[in-house]
Amino acid sequence: GAVVSQHPSWVICKSGTSVKIECRSLDFQATTMFWYRQFPKQSLMLMATSNEGSKATYEQGVEKDKFLINHASLTLSTLTVTSAHPEDSSFYICSATSGRGTGELFFGEGSRLTVL
Amino acid sequence: AQSVAQPEDQVNVAEGNPLTVKCTYSVSGNPYLFWYVQYPNRGLQFLLKYITGDNLVKGSYGFEAEFNKSQTSFHLKKPSALVSDSALYFCAVRDLNRDDKIIFGKGTRLHILP
Repeated sequence: GAVVSQHPSWVICKSGTSVKIECRSLDFQATTMFWYRQFPKQSLMLMATSNEGSKATYEQGVEKDKFLINHASLTLSTLTVTSAHPEDSSFYICSATSGRGTGELFFGEGSRLTVL
Repeated sequence: AQSVAQPEDQVNVAEGNPLTVKCTYSVSGNPYLFWYVQYPNRGLQFLLKYITGDNLVKGSYGFEAEFNKSQTSFHLKKPSALVSDSALYFCAVRDLNRDDKIIFGKGTRLHILP
């Protein structure tokens, strides 16, 4: 199946700093990418949907100024956690699809963020 | 709104026995249903999907799922469980009316006992 690469896998940062997580589709063009957040032993919470070349659509309750999403090309989307705080510590997962309709999403391996 | 429900937080099965992980759905229109598996500290891996056609869908690693329209269910099954099947399983539905986003159930942790 298609491959989605997510980097970094693990990141530890100090409170107040910003962290960028990259999500790349390696062998297909991803028209749409999704960013999820997963708390321990819980399901995936959709944070935002990004379409190449347009602004991301954020889910209710997700701060767009804190979680900056950029989808600059058909193979790359980035999530930047700005002014990170310990409560932002979580497992972030991206996914990508090559088109609308009946295709499945392909997921990255996730990025574990720990804010000290 | 589209939604899926996984009524069991955890399922325990002895190795070699058949397993079932339950999922029910609520959709308007045709359901596009998926099963994914997640291993610790990893992303999600696609197992199978139902779009149209046969109600019994075969997927990866010997898993299959049965679509039942009258019961609005899409249970995941495997005839003979392996210890390596122990993981977190998510049922999901794709919402074509909301940017194609996939909505996940809460997940079911499957423990295969040796």
